Amino acid sequence: KQEVTQIPAALSVPEGENLVLNCSFTDSAIYNLQWFRQDPGKGLTSLLLIQSSQREQTSGRLNASLDKSSGRSTLYIAASQPGDSATYLCAVRLSNDYKLSFGAGTTVTVRA
Amino acid sequence: ETGVTQTPRHLVMGMTNKKSLKCEQHLGHNAMYWYKQSAKKPLELMFVYSLEERVENNSVPSRFSPECPNSSHLFLHLHTLQPEDSALYLCASSQGQGADGYTFGSGTRLTVV
Repeated sequence: KQEVTQIPAALSVPEGENLVLNCSFTDSAIYNLQWFRQDPGKGLTSLLLIQSSQREQTSGRLNASLDKSSGRSTLYIAASQPGDSATYLCAVRLSNDYKLSFGAGTTVTVRA
Repeated sequence: ETGVTQTPRHLVMGMTNKKSLKCEQHLGHNAMYWYKQSAKKPLELMFVYSLEERVENNSVPSRFSPECPNSSHLFLHLHTLQPEDSALYLCASSQGQGADGYTFGSGTRLTVV
């Protein structure tokens, strides 16, 4: 059974600081890994999708890396803004499986 | 309408009621999912439909009954729920097994009283 862990559970930083969010998974036979953002009481917005053959993906201020052999992914958010305050979720899909396994998320607060 | 749309956004129901949640996707995907998100817990997969056939039922109680009449629509029929079923119910879709990722709707916040 795939277990996904996100550390830290919560993070509070001043505006402008870079954010580093960690995700680890137990089964390295993944097909892809997806980072999502969730605002309170809302659905999930996809941020980045990394295929198992890739090492990283970038979109604007966001960069996600993947080290499949060590079972880790890191989401970097550069120059954080108050609008980045949300919960960030990591989800992993195993090969030949429909199921996404989610971490519990990291709740980020960016202070103005 | 684009993406994945869920209705209603909020629902309050008594334990003896019957209600349905609706999900519609406009992405041309052929797989649809129901997930449950309870407070302080990771998202839990409930059901998966691929090409309108149920391919996964994640040990969900029979008081939850899914229906997928076509590849664009997914329903979750609810009856005799318990207060612990109160949660955010999220619908998602993908093309195949999600090689291009998953798209989620905004969710239905369900409160059982």
